[in-house]
Amino acid sequence: GQQVMQIPQYQHVQEGEDFTTYCNSSTTLSNIQWYKQRPGGHPVFLIQLVKSGEVKKQKRLTFQFGEAKKNSSLHITATQTTDVGTYFCAGPNSGYALNFGKGTSLLVTP
Amino acid sequence: EAQVTQNPRYLITVTGKKLTVTCSQNMNHEYMSWYRQDPGLGLRQIYYSMNVEVTDKGDVPEGYKVSRKEKRNFPLILESPSPNQTSLYFCASRRQQGNTEAFFGQGTRLTVV
Repeated sequence: GQQVMQIPQYQHVQEGEDFTTYCNSSTTLSNIQWYKQRPGGHPVFLIQLVKSGEVKKQKRLTFQFGEAKKNSSLHITATQTTDVGTYFCAGPNSGYALNFGKGTSLLVTP
Repeated sequence: EAQVTQNPRYLITVTGKKLTVTCSQNMNHEYMSWYRQDPGLGLRQIYYSMNVEVTDKGDVPEGYKVSRKEKRNFPLILESPSPNQTSLYFCASRRQQGNTEAFFGQGTRLTVV
């Protein structure tokens, strides 16, 4: 079945450094979603990408969907301590299920 | 306010004692699902429901049961909990039409001793 792989598993950066997490699917995706989970919290939807090659920005966050619609990335410019958390990508599975990557845990040191 | 409500938030129980974790959403979503989150394994789907009286297994259904008698509620039942079911559980709901976002509950941290 479809699998979504996410790397790296962990990332520790100094505040102000950039951060990128990558998501790869074994199959072509109709869309991809990104979620953020703060420590002790629950996953919260960030964005959805649908079109091949799509790029969307939310302030310091830049999301990309690959041309082949099999990979995606989330890039954070100049990280802040408020960016701490785990970032998940998710692709649609059979029916209406969402198949989540294992997530990238980001730690930001002031 | 649109929300998914899970109860309890924390639960410690003993092996073999049946328990139910409740989940309720107020958004009239058709699709509901349960996930468990374990370190290094991410979010794994246990069961999902496309609508009332329609449920199906996810990736890790063993040891769990669900029911969907009403659209808003989707309880997770552990008939005979075992220590390997110690985990953080999330309920989520989505609208069925379109590729829509999932709304998650606050989570239930379950410890089985």
